[in-house]
Amino acid sequence: EIVLTQSPGTLSLFPGERATLSCRASQSVTSGYLTWYQQKPGQAPRLLIYLASTRATGIPDRFSGSGSGTDFTLTISRLEPEDFAVYYCQQYDTFPVTFGQGTKVEFK
Amino acid sequence: QLQLQESGPGLVKPWETLSLTCTVSGGSITTSSYYWAWLRQLPGKGLEWIGSIFYSGTTFYNPSLQSRVTISVDTSKNQFSLRLSSVTAADTAVYRCARASFSSSGRNWFDPWGPGTLVTVSS
Repeated sequence: EIVLTQSPGTLSLFPGERATLSCRASQSVTSGYLTWYQQKPGQAPRLLIYLASTRATGIPDRFSGSGSGTDFTLTISRLEPEDFAVYYCQQYDTFPVTFGQGTKVEFK
Repeated sequence: QLQLQESGPGLVKPWETLSLTCTVSGGSITTSSYYWAWLRQLPGKGLEWIGSIFYSGTTFYNPSLQSRVTISVDTSKNQFSLRLSSVTAADTAVYRCARASFSSSGRNWFDPWGPGTLVTVSS
């Protein structure tokens, strides 16, 4: 199965700053079948991005996804207070689907 | 707006069977556009896909759990269910149901998710 490694584990930033989150796959995600989710404490994960770069319905355009092959990135252009959360990547290119261990974006 | 809600016991004894139900509201489970999935979040750890089911009964299971998992669907109640047998403390987790993207090979993404239910395995 594909192992997804997210970095950094924790990202400490101020509101208004740019956040860059990395997701590296142990083998190529050949079809770009990668998603990003946001999870706040006590809540369910929320889909942000699918197919590596397509924003889900209702997701603000400050969230963007990019990448291909084994390296993918989630960028939040300007952090809003509600963006401080844990972010997970997930690949659905190879069975079984797998998730990264998450990156926590916290107030600096 | 589609909503999912998990229900079932919050405490299961070791070596017994965990049983949970997901009730879907605001949409039909018999849609041909989606699968329906169970996932779990282990304490302090990440997310794990357990399995997915189509309304017709077609299932896909995570190979790591396949020998212990059964997912079924009840279209008359707009529900689908999870059974996980021979549980141990390692199965203690928040269990969540979700709508899954359509895939004839079990390769789904998930949206939306239910709020989750904590299941603790302990005697």
